Amino acid sequence: AQSVTQLGSHVSVSEGALVLLRCNYSSSVPPYLFWYVQYPNQGLQLLLKYTSAATLVKGINGFEAEFKKSETSFHLTKPSAHMSDAAEYFCAVRHNTGKLIFGQGTTLQVKP
Amino acid sequence: GAGVSQSPRYKVAKRGQDVALRCDPISGHVSLFWYQQALGQGPEFLTYFQNEAQLDKSGLPSDRFFAERPEGSVSTLKIQRTQQEDSAVYLCASSPNRDPGRTGYTFGSGTRLTVV
Repeated sequence: AQSVTQLGSHVSVSEGALVLLRCNYSSSVPPYLFWYVQYPNQGLQLLLKYTSAATLVKGINGFEAEFKKSETSFHLTKPSAHMSDAAEYFCAVRHNTGKLIFGQGTTLQVKP
Repeated sequence: GAGVSQSPRYKVAKRGQDVALRCDPISGHVSLFWYQQALGQGPEFLTYFQNEAQLDKSGLPSDRFFAERPEGSVSTLKIQRTQQEDSAVYLCASSPNRDPGRTGYTFGSGTRLTVV
């Protein structure tokens, strides 16, 4: 069965610093992987997705993620954090029945 | 509509009360999901519809939970005899694709259920 593990439930960075949110996956088949962002009292918004077309995926708001099969990872990065990036971030993988399985989430704090 | 709409946004129920949560997916979206998100946790899958057919209900935690989508559009999640552990945000999501796990889906803002 497919699953994801997000390393670090809380990440704190200074404004302008690099953002790195970690996600490792487990899948017996080529995975479909996603990153979603959730702002307080809102639903989840799709940031980007990996569907095997390219290993480096660019998403909205300057975020990108790199699929590394050898490391079973799909870490999310952004070169320069902005205050508005403070939110909860979820990694997800497609289950073989078609639904998405989500990680526990990482809270990103951005300090001025 | 422009997005996935859920109502009510907030619901307070007394323990033992029945509740019904509504989801209006994006018009024309064939796939519809319900997820449960406990405080500080990731969303947990509850059930999946393709049009009016409930294809997967493996995530429903007990027989007190029931979901329907009778005409293939609006869906209702019903919880009978609510208990405190049912307190969570219930998220609905929809997709125009028949295999939305390959493309992702659009979420609503959720219904926050508090059982007192």
